Amino acid sequence: GPKVLQIPSHQIIDMGQMVTLNCDPVSNHLYFYWYKQILGQQMEFLVNFYNGKVMEKSKLFKDQFSVERPDGSYFTLKIQPTALEDSAVYFCASSLGANTEVFFGKGTRLTVV
Amino acid sequence: GDKVKQSPSALSLQEGTNSALRCNFSIAATTVQWFLQNPRGSLINLFYLVPGTKENGRLKSAFDSKESYSTLHIRDAQLEDSGTYFCAAASSNTNKVVFGTGTRLQVLP
Repeated sequence: GPKVLQIPSHQIIDMGQMVTLNCDPVSNHLYFYWYKQILGQQMEFLVNFYNGKVMEKSKLFKDQFSVERPDGSYFTLKIQPTALEDSAVYFCASSLGANTEVFFGKGTRLTVV
Repeated sequence: GDKVKQSPSALSLQEGTNSALRCNFSIAATTVQWFLQNPRGSLINLFYLVPGTKENGRLKSAFDSKESYSTLHIRDAQLEDSGTYFCAAASSNTNKVVFGTGTRLQVLP
């Protein structure tokens, strides 16, 4: 099926530092998402993004978080500064349209120490 | 989690047996997806459903929007079916999928 690529697969970062998670969505998809999963538990919605703008974000999408996709390149999630509770697996996803099938990447495991 | 509830939360099956997983929604779901998260953590798309049923090999899924539930049936379970099964629902007034709490399935030899 369609592939969403996430880079890196693992990242270890010192608390307080900035981190950028990169996502290469499916090439013709227009809607992009980030989800957070802690310890293999529930997948929690963070944010969705369309036409260069955040459409919706959850309470988990703290002020320290930001997303962008400059000029059709990677769709990124930036956390600045990081906190210990940001340690989780972050999944990027994309879909062709609103409420169409969503495809997920393999996740980036972020460890904040 | 409260908006999409899955049952059971965990399940062990003997190889070759059948099972059904269920997802109940408290949102007005218009589409449902089922995923398998394998032991390596990857999310595998199993089904994307509008109201109705779909079948793929040993898997069959149904989505009833009026009664607000979806089911996933696994026939002749195999060891490689082990993992966590998630349902996720989308509604017309929001552009995101809301995940259920997951069913952790272990298939035993």
